[in-house]
Amino acid sequence: GEDVEQSLFLSVREGDSSVINCTYTDSSSTYLYWYKQEPGAGLQLLTYIFSNMDMKQDQRLTVLLNKKDKHLSLRIADTQTGDSAIYFCAESIGSNDMRFGAGTRLTVKP
Amino acid sequence: DVKVTQSSRYLVKRTGEKVFLECVQDMDHENMFWYRQDPGLGLRLIYFSYDVKMKEKGDIPEGYSVSREKKERFSLILESASTNQTSMYLCASRGSSVRGYTFGSGTRLTVV
Repeated sequence: GEDVEQSLFLSVREGDSSVINCTYTDSSSTYLYWYKQEPGAGLQLLTYIFSNMDMKQDQRLTVLLNKKDKHLSLRIADTQTGDSAIYFCAESIGSNDMRFGAGTRLTVKP
Repeated sequence: DVKVTQSSRYLVKRTGEKVFLECVQDMDHENMFWYRQDPGLGLRLIYFSYDVKMKEKGDIPEGYSVSREKKERFSLILESASTNQTSMYLCASRGSSVRGYTFGSGTRLTVV
């Protein structure tokens, strides 16, 4: 299909790991991105991965890429209340454009 | 720190008013974008621009127009605001780096 797909909601307990999943559409996408949107704010780039990589780790964040299945995931270790936000998956399309998923709202319960 | 600045965080306008949403970036980016964000629908592209005086329709251009007279500024215009244009509007810019888009903080527009 044409859509980047994500689950709309995820709820975890503080200290647990969170895994947000995404299925993208274009096997030729060069870069894949995760953005974070806190309440009332714009989107901030969280991390990105080049399509020839399988994994990227950055502190508490781990991105896994399965190109065969066009599946991208974001794992947040030791999830904190400050991680509560909407997380958007996005793929690059051509040299200038991006396609975004609908966003996953992560709720972290104390 | 590089920035995309949207002139208003919150706006309330009346049905039928002409509304201007302004966006300015200081990164010398060629590409600028306007999205609207609605719950459950994610980001939907309204218009984008690859260069000064150039504009391209996105997925939902109806009821909107844009202006890009200078490289750093990209304006979204609602010619006659309607209640179904109540939404969060996000501006973004992109240069040649791999880091994707840089977004503004958003403008939450309410049309009453």
